[in-house]
Amino acid sequence: AQKITQTQPGMFVQEKEAVTLDCTYDTSDPSYGLFWYKQPSSGEMIFLIYQGSYDQQNATEGRYSLNFQKARKSANLVISASQLGDSAMYFCAMREYSSASKIIFGSGTRLSIRP
Amino acid sequence: NAGVTQTPKFRILKIGQSMTLQCTQDMNHNYMYWYRQDPGMGLKLIYYSVGAGITDKGEVPNGYNVSRSTTEDFPLRLELAAPSQTSVYFCASSYSGGRASETQYFGPGTRLLVL
Repeated sequence: AQKITQTQPGMFVQEKEAVTLDCTYDTSDPSYGLFWYKQPSSGEMIFLIYQGSYDQQNATEGRYSLNFQKARKSANLVISASQLGDSAMYFCAMREYSSASKIIFGSGTRLSIRP
Repeated sequence: NAGVTQTPKFRILKIGQSMTLQCTQDMNHNYMYWYRQDPGMGLKLIYYSVGAGITDKGEVPNGYNVSRSTTEDFPLRLELAAPSQTSVYFCASSYSGGRASETQYFGPGTRLLVL
C-alpha cells in the first residue's frame, strides 16, 4: 500500500538560508509521481513541483528543487535562499500509476522563516 | 476561467443536520476529488469521480455521499452531521488520472464546524 511520511512537524530557518523538507514514501508500483504542495495561512493548496519515478534528473522549479533518491524512497524538497513568504505548511504527496485516480498526502511540515 | 470554486466558504452545523458542499470547475476536467483536512493534518481523500455518472470511495467515505451528474459539478453531501466531521473540505480536479504526472487543481476550501 502506498504511504507518505513527513517526519518534521515544524522547522525554523533564518531568512536567506536554504532549507530541506524531508519526505519518504513507500510503494510497490514501479511507476509513480511525487508532488509537493504549499499551504500558506490563507489555506489554499499551491502546487510547487513534480518528480516522476522514471525521471533521470531531479526536478527544479525556480527556488524549489526536489532531491529524489529512488533507492532510499525519499523525495526531499529543497528551498534555496528562503524568504519570509515561504512560511507555510508543506505537503508531500504521491500518486501511483496503478491507482492514478488517488493522490495520498503526508501529514505536512510547518516551515517558519525568521527575519 | 475561475478554476475550481467551492461554496460555502464557512458553515456551522448542528449535530444531526445535513448539508451539501458545492464544487464546480470550468476547466473541462474529467477527474474530481473531495478531501478533508483536519487541524494540523494532511489531506484525506473522501470520494472521487473519473467522469459524469462515475464515483468511487476514497480513504474516509463514511458519513458522506457524492453525485456527478455533469462534468462541471461534484457536490458532497453530509447526512446527519457529527462533531467528527468538523474539518476543512477541499475539492480538486484534474484533466485525467491516467498519468502519474497529472497534478490537481484545488478549490479554496470550505470550513465546516459541527456543534
